[in-house]
Amino acid sequence: QPVLTQSSSASASLGSSVKLTCTLSSGHSSYIIAWHQQQPGKAPRYLMKLEGSGSYNKGSGVPDRFSGSSSGADRYLTISNLQSEDEADYYCETWDSNTRVFGGGTRLAVL
Amino acid sequence: VQLVESGGGLVQPGGSLRLSCAASGFTFSSYWMHWVRQVPGEGLVWVSRINNDGSSTSYADSVKGRFTISRDNAKNTLYLQMNSLRAEDTAVYYCARDSNAHYGGGWGQGTLVTVSS
Repeated sequence: QPVLTQSSSASASLGSSVKLTCTLSSGHSSYIIAWHQQQPGKAPRYLMKLEGSGSYNKGSGVPDRFSGSSSGADRYLTISNLQSEDEADYYCETWDSNTRVFGGGTRLAVL
Repeated sequence: VQLVESGGGLVQPGGSLRLSCAASGFTFSSYWMHWVRQVPGEGLVWVSRINNDGSSTSYADSVKGRFTISRDNAKNTLYLQMNSLRAEDTAVYYCARDSNAHYGGGWGQGTLVTVSS
């Protein structure tokens, strides 16, 4: 079963860019992942599905400021032109035939 | 994608509860669906999934044998029957569309389940 590792916190200034990382465990570096955003007090929101090739498909209504990329076992979520509403928890998710796994989440502070 | 959960509430340890999730805005019968829970202040934890026609299910070890996922495609509704509830099952329960689906995932607003005497 894959394991996903995320940094617990990150911070960046309003209007800048930030790159969040999700790392797949050994033997699972080719796995597809999904990124989700959870703003304070709200339900999660699906952002995108991201392949090992770096190709990604965003959910409906997700701003162009959100993009994905990959390198080896690392999957990235880049947020450009940070807005105050981007302050949230960001979770990555992956799956095999029978289970789903979430990373521990990264709390992003917009300064 | 609209997913609306219901059925949460306060239940005593050892009790039962059935959660429902009404789906709209997409072809429900074409999608695998999941239940995911979250203890307030903590991360997301996958609970269970069901395939599009209900013929295949899987569960997290922590709920296996106690929870049952099912669906009624005619009613566009997903269910989670929770039996033998424990204090550690206290969480917000979300229904979610499969993230690996062609048009991607989606989440409901969640329903709070509290297991306490």
